[in-house]
Amino acid sequence: AQSVTQLDSQVPVFEEAPVELRCNYSSSVSVYLFWYVQYPNQGLQLLLKYLSGSTLVESINGFEAEFNKSQTSFHLRKPSVHISDTAEYFCAVSDFSGSNYKLTFGKGTLLTVNP
Amino acid sequence: GAVVSQHPSWVICKSGTSVKIECRSLDFQATTMFWYRQFPKKSLMLMATSNEGSKATYEQGVEKDKFLINHASLTLSTLTVTSAHPEDSSFYICSARDPGSHSYEQYFGPGTRLTVT
Repeated sequence: AQSVTQLDSQVPVFEEAPVELRCNYSSSVSVYLFWYVQYPNQGLQLLLKYLSGSTLVESINGFEAEFNKSQTSFHLRKPSVHISDTAEYFCAVSDFSGSNYKLTFGKGTLLTVNP
Repeated sequence: GAVVSQHPSWVICKSGTSVKIECRSLDFQATTMFWYRQFPKKSLMLMATSNEGSKATYEQGVEKDKFLINHASLTLSTLTVTSAHPEDSSFYICSARDPGSHSYEQYFGPGTRLTVT
């Protein structure tokens, strides 16, 4: 069985400050890792993903995440946040077991960017 | 990119009635769709995995007779909440996998807010 731990339920920051949202996972097999963002009353949008290859993955809006196998982590970072980044962020893991690639989500981190 | 729609976006129903929620993949054929439930300020809980042409696979603790799932075509899956009660009020989100994509990601619908009065 796999699990995802997002260590911070809420992260308040000021605009233009750097931010890190932490994510750790546990799995006995190789995994795919994802970060999704959810704006109020909306579905989830994929922010970035790690499947293989380079351990550092980037999104088009300045977020990046680094896969660290030894620490079983996939922390999300942004060097300078905007007000519009305020949202709920979910880390998710999908393993290779079965054919459906089910996602297991963390509990989410609410990022609040203040002016 | 792959687009998944849900209908309705919100619904209010009376206790004891049934409600059907549709999930459609608009530009790809989804052999597998997933139904999630999200409580306020909580994570997504996978309810069931829906495979086209076969019975859905329900997660432990999810009542299959209460949450009926039908995946009749490669672009449509439906979730019917039968005999709804106020405790069924929640945000229901579907997602779909594109088997033609090798990215293994799920594409999510915008969600349906169900309120049972």
